[in-house]
Amino acid sequence: EVQLLESGGGLVQPGGSLRLSCAASGFTFSSFAMSWVRQAPGKGLEWVLSISGSGGNTFNADSVKGRFTISRDNSKNTVSLQMNSLRAEDTAVYYCAKETGQYWQQPDDAFDIWGQGTMVTVSS
Amino acid sequence: QSVLTQPPSVSGAPGQRVSISCTGSSSNIGADYAVHWYQQLPGIAPKLLIYGNIIRPSGVPDRFSGSKSGTSASLAITGLQAEDEADYYCQSYDSSLSAYVFGTGTKVTVL
Repeated sequence: EVQLLESGGGLVQPGGSLRLSCAASGFTFSSFAMSWVRQAPGKGLEWVLSISGSGGNTFNADSVKGRFTISRDNSKNTVSLQMNSLRAEDTAVYYCAKETGQYWQQPDDAFDIWGQGTMVTVSS
Repeated sequence: QSVLTQPPSVSGAPGQRVSISCTGSSSNIGADYAVHWYQQLPGIAPKLLIYGNIIRPSGVPDRFSGSKSGTSASLAITGLQAEDEADYYCQSYDSSLSAYVFGTGTKVTVL
């Protein structure tokens, strides 16, 4: 069964850091780009970052530029999201999502598999 | 603030047809990038419903169909069922933002 399982969410103070992880199973992990998509409480979906199948290329939304980074370990079938300088507006459910393509920044990629999400709350 | 605009809500009686629009611009849908649609049931992760403008993944009922023209796309649900009550989002790529973008979302209510 194709599956994504996120972990690492929690409560963090403004300015703090948090690292999310996503464990993948059921597909050839290195053959697909991966993304993180977030959803603030009661709001819509927002794409955050993406990484190519090889891990050599990434790109991100302007809202997290310079603060969030994405990485992957293809030997462990995991993708991670390092979040620094967190702000209240980063409060959201963070979803790990598998893309339909392998390469970096492919305009026609869709997100065909989603994890269950992990909640990140930024508050003092 | 999303660059893809959807109506906040649509509703219909069981068995009816409803349609959800997704309006973009020349830097996303109008640039001939693919449009994808997702269904999000309450409290659950989104699920891919339509990809590549018109293609249904395996297991998605043929009651759901997608179309695209110019700078807009649409999702149609025919034979509306109670289980279709959910939020629906369109998604594409925007070359001006160099980012994947989602629509504002539409809540479908079955009367």
